[in-house]
Amino acid sequence: GQQLNQSPQSMFIQEGEDVSMNCTSSSIFNTWLWYKQDPGEGPVLLIALYKAGELTSNGRLTAQFGITRKDSFLNISASIPSDVGIYFCAGQLASGTYKYIFGTGTRLKVLA
Amino acid sequence: DTAVSQTPKYLVTQMGNDKSIKCEQNLGHDTMYWYKQDSKKFLKIMFSYNNKELIINETVPNRFSPKSPDKAHLNLHINSLELGDSAVYFCASSQAPRELSAEAFFGQGTRLTVV
Repeated sequence: GQQLNQSPQSMFIQEGEDVSMNCTSSSIFNTWLWYKQDPGEGPVLLIALYKAGELTSNGRLTAQFGITRKDSFLNISASIPSDVGIYFCAGQLASGTYKYIFGTGTRLKVLA
Repeated sequence: DTAVSQTPKYLVTQMGNDKSIKCEQNLGHDTMYWYKQDSKKFLKIMFSYNNKELIINETVPNRFSPKSPDKAHLNLHINSLELGDSAVYFCASSQAPRELSAEAFFGQGTRLTVV
């Protein structure tokens, strides 16, 4: 079945550093969503992307819908300790099934 | 007010038992989902209902049966629980699966442990 490869799998960074993560696939997507999951909680939507090439920001977060429609990127600038958590991408396939496929997650740990 | 609420938050039960997880959303959304998150945190969709109609049914054992009495509720019943069913189950809702505003809002999850 379709897979979303998310990288890196995990990362430790220093507070104040910028962070980049991405999702790639061999399939084409109509929509990309980025979520954050805190321990013991459900995923919370951060950014939604609807058009190839679209670049959208939400505070210190910026995400882009890849021009090939097969990938997406999330950047976090000037990370703070509360950025710790698991970040998931989710893509809605262009093939008409309407379901979202989730990436494998990037576990972010911020060192103060 | 909680947007998507599911109960219980924790469920510990023995193999072979039957259990239900309830979900309710007060967002006025048309579509509700059940996702399963395994021990490696991988999220996979199980079911989706749109206005009480099943629209997505992934390859899930038929021991799992969703029920939607109305568009604000989607319950998950699991028969003859097995050890491999242990996971965190998330309910979610969105406005509509076919619209661009298909962002899903998730509940807090139900951690199911089968012993």
